[in-house]
Amino acid sequence: EAGVAQSPRYKIIEKRQSVAFWCNPISGHATLYWYQQILGQGPKLLIQFQNNGVVDDSQLPKDRFSAERLKGVDSTLKIQPAKLEDSAVYLCASSRPTGTSRAKNIQYFGAGTRLSVL
Amino acid sequence: GDSVTQMEGPVTLSEEAFLTINCTYTATGYPSLFWYVQYPGEGLQLLLKATKADDKGSNKGFEATYRKETTSFHLEKGSVQVSDSAVYFCALSKTGGFKTIFGAGTRLFVKA
Repeated sequence: EAGVAQSPRYKIIEKRQSVAFWCNPISGHATLYWYQQILGQGPKLLIQFQNNGVVDDSQLPKDRFSAERLKGVDSTLKIQPAKLEDSAVYLCASSRPTGTSRAKNIQYFGAGTRLSVL
Repeated sequence: GDSVTQMEGPVTLSEEAFLTINCTYTATGYPSLFWYVQYPGEGLQLLLKATKADDKGSNKGFEATYRKETTSFHLEKGSVQVSDSAVYFCALSKTGGFKTIFGAGTRLFVKA
């Protein structure tokens, strides 16, 4: 089974530029998550999709961040304009919310995109 | 609100030493508890989980027991290897909502 795919692996941009990240979840996983992981901290949920609908975007800075999952499969996360404090690793994860409730909460992570804003 | 607190790192051990990484949580209801591991340059991987009080999760020699009375889920391994060097994250998740809250992570260095 292929894992969660993310691209690019690394991105360096200047502040006020825009950037986009792409994620392809594990096949059949209806739930997709985007996390921001700042150096030395745990992942912080930015947005959660169930199929192509948003379940939770309470911590997404909506003035500059946007995300979509149009066909309920792959997803893009965009930052426009970027700020210095957006430097972080952006992790995508997916899970399969079917079957028992115990199985619902196991998330599978991609390798992440490391963003440096100069 | 719900939260997870882990012991600060880094933790540095010699090979074959005993490992404990403390984790406590604050949550209403009955969350599921997880340990994830992140090797350098990689995403997080589920290491083990426990879904109810007194459950013991185990994998690759690591163990953690869900202690509701002390709201803890400490990670242990009897004999660490150099290959265990990584960052370990404790996490909780409420059933039905899928949202997972992560601790800040504890970096482990194992010396040969």
